[in-house]
Amino acid sequence: GENVEQHPSTLSVQEGDSAVIKCTYSDSASNYFPWYKQELGKRPQLIIDIRSNVGEKKDQRIAVTLNKTAKHFSLHITETQPEDSAVYFCAQSSGTYKYIFGTGTRLKVLA
Amino acid sequence: GAVVSQHPSRVICKSGTSVKIECRSLDFQATTMFWYRQFPKQSLMLMATSNEGSKATYEQGVEKDKFLINHASLTLSTLTVTSAHPEDSSFYICSAESRYNEQFFGPGTRLTVL
Repeated sequence: GENVEQHPSTLSVQEGDSAVIKCTYSDSASNYFPWYKQELGKRPQLIIDIRSNVGEKKDQRIAVTLNKTAKHFSLHITETQPEDSAVYFCAQSSGTYKYIFGTGTRLKVLA
Repeated sequence: GAVVSQHPSRVICKSGTSVKIECRSLDFQATTMFWYRQFPKQSLMLMATSNEGSKATYEQGVEKDKFLINHASLTLSTLTVTSAHPEDSSFYICSAESRYNEQFFGPGTRLTVL
């Protein structure tokens, strides 16, 4: 069935360093890949997304890359700050509207 | 981004009672809303897809008679946990889908069943 693998499950980086989280999917019909940030006890917030007709998208310190051949997509955060500490979830959708979520990555940015 | 509200944010109830949670999209119309359940330190588990004007679609293993969903308008979906038991205690989050397939989440409802 459909699934999304997300790695790593936890990630600690020094403030100012970069963080990369990778997700691998199995459904070749997937065409939409959002990333969410969730702080403790709060709602997931959409931070960036990418569609299958694009290979890369960037928004200030955040970027997402998509490799459709290999079926993986990655979140890149540069110049990390303590406020970037949160749990990040990737997701994929194949146009049936339902999302399949990754298992989450707990990012800690050490000051 | 779009705004989705959820009410109540926190509820404590006795075992055997029913609890209704409301999810509203405040600035856009959502034909489709989703209900998720999230356990501590885990990912979001989709419970059901709520479609305006039609029956909800439940995921495998989710009891439709236990978790009643009503999507009466393009801005409101409700989830009723019937005859709640302690194992139903969890964080319930709804989302509303935009016409571009983006999902915007509500703030969640923490349910505690005593």
